[in-house]
Amino acid sequence: EPEVTQTPSHQVTQMGQEVILRCVPISNHLYFYWYRQILGQKVEFLVSFYNNEISEKSEIFDDQFSVERPDGSNFTLKIRSTKLEDSAMYFCASSRDNQETQYFGPGTRLLVL
Amino acid sequence: GNSVTQMEGPVTLSEEAFLTINCTYTATGYPSLFWYVQYPGEGLQLLLKATKADDKGSNKGFEATYRKETTSFHLEKGSVQVSDSAVYFCALTTNTGNQFYFGTGTSLTVIP
Repeated sequence: EPEVTQTPSHQVTQMGQEVILRCVPISNHLYFYWYRQILGQKVEFLVSFYNNEISEKSEIFDDQFSVERPDGSNFTLKIRSTKLEDSAMYFCASSRDNQETQYFGPGTRLLVL
Repeated sequence: GNSVTQMEGPVTLSEEAFLTINCTYTATGYPSLFWYVQYPGEGLQLLLKATKADDKGSNKGFEATYRKETTSFHLEKGSVQVSDSAVYFCALTTNTGNQFYFGTGTSLTVIP
């Protein structure tokens, strides 16, 4: 069964450094998403992406964040200058169509020191 | 706005016990409701869903009924197994956007 994959599974970085989190969505899906979960808190929506552009983003997704689909398979989340409060589990998801079931990857646990 | 409130955990049950995890929601528009499960070390997996009022979603012995009158989508299973130990997330999406709104998750541990 096709699945969403994410790399790395864990990342430790210093405050102020740039990080890129990578995702490979399910191949015939058209909509891509990033969510995050700070320890002990809700899973929060960051951004959705369709047709090579952002379709929706939350207040969390400020200028420090960017997303890209650099080729036909990868979908990346970049945090330009990490802050301590960016430490969280980051989930990528994809769906075949808008408002359909979203399929999630296993997550990348980011720790900013 | 849109939000999901989920029963707090952790929940510990003996094998073959009855499980209920409460979930209530507020939503604008017409929500679809979901339960996702996260097994240790894995991603969020869809467990079941319901897209309109009075629909019942079911999978692997779990079920939940979309109750518009009480704005609820409680998860139930008649007889839990050790393999059901996981974190369960209630979520919704609406026809006014494409993001999911999640509850905080409920950790379930089933002991033999």
